[in-house]
Amino acid sequence: GAGVSQSPRYKVAKRGQDVALRCDPISGHVSLFWYQQALGQGPEFLTYFQNEAQLDKSGLPSDRFFAERPEGSVSTLKIQRTQQEDSAVYLCASSPTASGGWTYEQYFGPGTRLTVT
Amino acid sequence: AQSVSQHNHHVILSEAASLELGCNYSYGGTVNLFWYVQYPGQHLQLLLKYFSGDPLVKGIKGFEAEFIKSKFSFNLRKPSVQWSDTAEYFCAVNTGGFKTIFGAGTRLFVKA
Repeated sequence: GAGVSQSPRYKVAKRGQDVALRCDPISGHVSLFWYQQALGQGPEFLTYFQNEAQLDKSGLPSDRFFAERPEGSVSTLKIQRTQQEDSAVYLCASSPTASGGWTYEQYFGPGTRLTVT
Repeated sequence: AQSVSQHNHHVILSEAASLELGCNYSYGGTVNLFWYVQYPGQHLQLLLKYFSGDPLVKGIKGFEAEFIKSKFSFNLRKPSVQWSDTAEYFCAVNTGGFKTIFGAGTRLFVKA
């Protein structure tokens, strides 16, 4: 079946521009996660949705980062006024259960590589 | 703060050599543990996981990992690696919330 998809796969933004990154989770998956992966590092948790409810946004690095999942399926991560330090791969993952990453594995998408120039 | 340490950032082995990748975490309570793998050009995918029970867990492609609670470790092993095991391996820990913490990863290169 279809896995997690993300678009665009690559995004180049000039410093100060706003960007929107899209995630299509596996159909029916309750949990959705966003991660930021800097070069040479592991994924770092940004935020978690259970259906349309954003239950944990403790990893969002600043108020320039905003995520939504209005109908409990597709999610968008928006970064306003991008800075060079925002350059990274942004990963989306989904999981079929409502317990976050505690009791089930996560299925990852291919990521969006964001480069801020 | 909770953290995950992977001791080796790069490992180079010849085919048929044995593999052990170290992973230590810093948390004194109950944990769920994962190893994920990312093959070149592919998504992160689950290799194996430990939730409870037998501390020696077996995953796909002949990999296994052992949870040693007293050492806060969850090392990944494979008796005989193949060229196709060339990938980046990530250890990850969940301490009961929504957040899973990943290590920095170990890049494994297997020479044919």
